[in-house]
Amino acid sequence: DGGITQSPKYLFRKEGQNVTLSCEQNLNHDAMYWYRQDPGQGLRLIYYSQIVNDFQKGDIAEGYSVSREKKESFPLTVTSAQKNPTAFYLCASSPTQGHYSNQPQHFGDGTRLSIL
Amino acid sequence: EDQVTQSPEALRLQEGESSSLNCSYTVSGLRGLFWYRQDPGKGPEFLFTLYSAGEEKEKERLKATLTKKESFLHITAPKPEDSATYLCAVRILTGGGNKLTFGTGTQLKVEL
Repeated sequence: DGGITQSPKYLFRKEGQNVTLSCEQNLNHDAMYWYRQDPGQGLRLIYYSQIVNDFQKGDIAEGYSVSREKKESFPLTVTSAQKNPTAFYLCASSPTQGHYSNQPQHFGDGTRLSIL
Repeated sequence: EDQVTQSPEALRLQEGESSSLNCSYTVSGLRGLFWYRQDPGKGPEFLFTLYSAGEEKEKERLKATLTKKESFLHITAPKPEDSATYLCAVRILTGGGNKLTFGTGTQLKVEL
């Protein structure tokens, strides 16, 4: 079945440590996104990529980094510079690229990151 | 600033008790309003897209409508399995492609 796979489901980070969250999709979608979800807040966009080898900062990119070396993969690294990383992280993809695409985004089942 | 506000924050219904969830928005250049359902510990599941005022979409017990300032998600004769958090999101006209602004959601609990 086609879909978006995020791993791991749970992740724990020590102080000063970088951690990487995986996101893989087999939907052949061009665009991919990373969101952060905190209790009582809407999903907030961290980074997005509309095409391989290109990505843009979202609204809360500080302390995070991404890469897009393959169409299927869009890993997110939470760096030690992110002082409040505890959250539920969601990866999404959408089927068309371009500035005015209007297809819905489809989501993975998230990674919950906590601080040890 | 573009804003999306959902109300109520939480809603408890008896099985079969119909109601509506609200999503109001203050954005310029709306290019679509999206409804999602999210179960605990899961990612949002896409339900509907609405593009223009007056548009309606239906799926089973759910019906979404759109005006120039808000959208409603009507739930008719809900069942316990409809319990979830319902999110709305708007897409605005930017140079950055398919970017969405999300509301904080309505947590729905349907009881027997």
